[in-house]
Amino acid sequence: GENVEQHPSTLSVQEGDSAVIKCTYSDSASNYFPWYKQELGKRPQLIIDIRSNVGEKKDQRIAVTLNKTAKHFSLHITETQPEDSAVYFCAAGDQAGTALIFGKGTTLSVSS
Amino acid sequence: ETGVTQTPRHLVMGMTNKKSLKCEQHLGHNAMYWYKQSAKKPLELMFVYNFKEQTENNSVPSRFSPECPNSSHLFLHLHTLQPEDSALYLCASSQEGLAGDEQFFGPGTRLTVL
Repeated sequence: GENVEQHPSTLSVQEGDSAVIKCTYSDSASNYFPWYKQELGKRPQLIIDIRSNVGEKKDQRIAVTLNKTAKHFSLHITETQPEDSAVYFCAAGDQAGTALIFGKGTTLSVSS
Repeated sequence: ETGVTQTPRHLVMGMTNKKSLKCEQHLGHNAMYWYKQSAKKPLELMFVYNFKEQTENNSVPSRFSPECPNSSHLFLHLHTLQPEDSALYLCASSQEGLAGDEQFFGPGTRLTVL
């Protein structure tokens, strides 16, 4: 089955810096890669996703890149702000299947 | 409250107790999920229901018993749990039971097993 590894487990940056979180997956059949953000005490929410027919997707300060050959994908946050502080989860799955496999999460702390 | 709601928000139970977690979605979705979230572990998918039919059971111990009476409601019945079952239990829903759909999560039930 699918296995998703996520690094780093914690990341501390200064406000305005960029943050990068990386995930690798094992199942070459996976073709859907969402990222969820979970603020302290709140529910996870989808922030961006990418499907295997594209290599990069951007939404304002957030971007995701996908390398299907190497089986890894990354979340990039530019110009970080304190409200970006949260736990970020990557996930991988076959979009026609029923199960998403999540990474362990990265706790991002943005200090002002 | 709109979206996905869960009750109770906090639950403390002994190992011999029987309790139930409830999830309700107001989004008109057809699929509902139970996840377990433990510290420093990935979100673990437990069960998936699609149009009230269970489509995924991720090797969950029988002390966890799901019930989906309709597409809007999902229960997790708990019986003779272990302390290691203490975790945040998250419910989610999506339009269809496909991994490619956005999942909308509830606020979770924080479960403590004594």
